[in-house]
Amino acid sequence: AQKVTQAQTEISVVEKEDVTLDCVYETRDTTYYLFWYKQPPSGELVFLIRRNSFDEQNEISGRYSWNFQKSTSSFNFTITASQVVDSAVYFCALSVGNDYKLSFGAGTTVTVRA
Amino acid sequence: SAVISQKPSRDICQRGTSLTIQCQVDSQVTMMFWYRQQPGQSLTLIATANQGSEATYESGFVIDKFPISRPNLTFSTLTVSNMSPEDSSIYLCSVEGWEGQFFGPGTRLTVL
Repeated sequence: AQKVTQAQTEISVVEKEDVTLDCVYETRDTTYYLFWYKQPPSGELVFLIRRNSFDEQNEISGRYSWNFQKSTSSFNFTITASQVVDSAVYFCALSVGNDYKLSFGAGTTVTVRA
Repeated sequence: SAVISQKPSRDICQRGTSLTIQCQVDSQVTMMFWYRQQPGQSLTLIATANQGSEATYESGFVIDKFPISRPNLTFSTLTVSNMSPEDSSIYLCSVEGWEGQFFGPGTRLTVL
């Protein structure tokens, strides 16, 4: 069975601080995909990234960066120089093989204060 | 990425009634998914809907309660039947694209 753990329930930072969200996953499959989504107060689920299990390269997209480490089964997400618009719930998710079903973590609520 | 729309965006319903939620995609997709997000919670997969076959339900979800249709490659419906207040949730459809899995805007359902 697959499992995603986001141990941080809530994180509060002041604008311009960096914030790192932790994601630890469990699966016995060797082929899997990891995702991050953002859910702002408006409620829609915004896709941020998908990473497959064979690509451990870190990814940077603007102020967002992701650190994938298979050795620790982690796929952490960092927001650099946070802004108020980054305030949202962030979900880490996992799918295994080719069935594309997503198992979500509990989510981390990020509040960025001006 | 695919553009996904859902109708209705929100509704308030009385217990014992049923509501059908529509999901429309702007391109043909093989697999569509329905998720539920209960208040303050994470997302849980209800079922996978493939065109031309019956939906596959996850543990804890049954066809009588959540019947699903998938008449073509761009459209699906989810019905929430015989509703109770515990069904109050956001219901989201999603599709798998070549670059990731994308979600519709969701249907916010309140059952009184």
